Amino acid sequence: KNQVEQSPQSLIILEGKNCTLQCNYTVSPFSNLRWYKQDTGRGPVSLTIMTFSENTKSNGRYTATLDADTKQSSLHITASQLSDSASYICVVTTENKLVFGAGTILRVKS
Amino acid sequence: DGGITQSPKYLFRKEGQNVTLSCEQNLNHDAMYWYRQDPGQGLRLIYYSQIVNDFQKGDIAEGYSVSREKKESFPLTVTSAQKNPTAFYLCASSTRTSGGVTDTQYFGPGTRLTVL
Repeated sequence: KNQVEQSPQSLIILEGKNCTLQCNYTVSPFSNLRWYKQDTGRGPVSLTIMTFSENTKSNGRYTATLDADTKQSSLHITASQLSDSASYICVVTTENKLVFGAGTILRVKS
Repeated sequence: DGGITQSPKYLFRKEGQNVTLSCEQNLNHDAMYWYRQDPGQGLRLIYYSQIVNDFQKGDIAEGYSVSREKKESFPLTVTSAQKNPTAFYLCASSTRTSGGVTDTQYFGPGTRLTVL
C-alpha cells in the first residue's frame, strides 16, 4: 500500500532555533517528492520538489533532502521565525497520483 | 494561494441539503482537483479534471459531484448522500503533462464546511 508517514506529529521550538522534519514513504514507483507549507486555514504552498536523482534542494532557510534508497526525506529549517509556524506536508508522486502525508505541525515560540 | 479562489470561506449546511463549493482559477491551467482534508490525515482526492468537459473520480468520490464546463471553473457539490461532509475542502490546479497530472499543484485558500 502506498503510504507517506511523517514525524513528529507536532513540534514546538524557540525562535531562532533549527529543526528537522522527517518523511518516510513506501510509495512505488517513485516519480518525485514535494514538501508543502500550509498555514492554518489556508491552502498548501509548494516549498521544494525533488526527483529520484536529487539528494538535496534548498529554498531560502528550507533545505530538503532525499534518500531514495531508504525512501526517506527530511526538511531542515534554519534559524526559525515565528512565520514558520505552520503544517508541513510531504507529498510523493507515483504513476500520476499524489500520496499525501498527514503533516507535521510546527509551532515557533518567541 | 496564487490565482485560485474558493468561495465561500466558511459554509454551514443542514443535514439532507446539497451544497456547492466554488473554485475559480486564472492561471490558464488545464487540470483541476478537489481534495478533502480532515484532522490528522493527509489530503484525499475527491475528483479531478484534466480538460474541459471531462473529469474522473478520485479516492473518495462517493457523495460528491463535479462539473467542468469552463477551463477556469470546477465547482464541487456535496450531496446529502455524503455521510460525513464536515471537513476542509481544497481546490487545486496544475498544468497538464503529456503523461498525466503530476505537475506542481497550486492550491486555493479552502472552504470549511460544517454540517449542523
